Amino acid sequence: AQSVTQPDIHITVSEGASLELRCNYSYGATPYLFWYVQSPGQGLQLLLKYFSGDTLVQGIKGFEAEFKRSQSSFNLRKPSVHWSDAAEYFCAVGGTSNTGKLIFGQGTTLQVKP
Amino acid sequence: NAGVTQTPKFQVLKTGQSMTLQCAQDMNHNSMYWYRQDPGMGLRLIYYSASEGTTDKGEVPNGYNVSRLNKREFSLRLESAAPSQTSVYFCASSGLGQGGTDTQYFGPGTRLTVL
Repeated sequence: AQSVTQPDIHITVSEGASLELRCNYSYGATPYLFWYVQSPGQGLQLLLKYFSGDTLVQGIKGFEAEFKRSQSSFNLRKPSVHWSDAAEYFCAVGGTSNTGKLIFGQGTTLQVKP
Repeated sequence: NAGVTQTPKFQVLKTGQSMTLQCAQDMNHNSMYWYRQDPGMGLRLIYYSASEGTTDKGEVPNGYNVSRLNKREFSLRLESAAPSQTSVYFCASSGLGQGGTDTQYFGPGTRLTVL
């Protein structure tokens, strides 16, 4: 079955510390992978995506993610977290179907301590 | 470019009432989607429309109907609202990349409470 797992429901980091949010997927075909961010009361905004090529992808707001096929993972990282990064983060996987459907993880809420 | 717009932003219904959530996109996307978001459950796909004139069920379609009015507009209807439909509803749209899936762009959401 196709699925996305974000093992950490809630993470708290200090401002200026590094961040890694985990994402594991199960997908039967070539995965297309996405990270979205949702600020409180807002819709989802794309941070970055991976379709093919270089397995380390750069996104907006200083985020990056690394695709590891052998581990079925697509973890999101940021070297130094800012208070404005506090939000909910969603990992999603899609593929080569012509429907464009995505499967979302349950989300990780990031809290940033001053 | 407004992107994806949704109306209304907030709505309170009584059990048994009906309503339609409206969604429109101005990006000339073929595909449109309706999700609901509940605490701890991520986003769950209700219905989607891969192209104008087609609609298909997603993961949680019971109690909902949709209409793809034209390429721009995709509405979600609750015929007889139930408290279990209290949720935040998001509309999204996407073009299709070379291989299929492409980025989905989301609207700001509709917060629905059913009493």
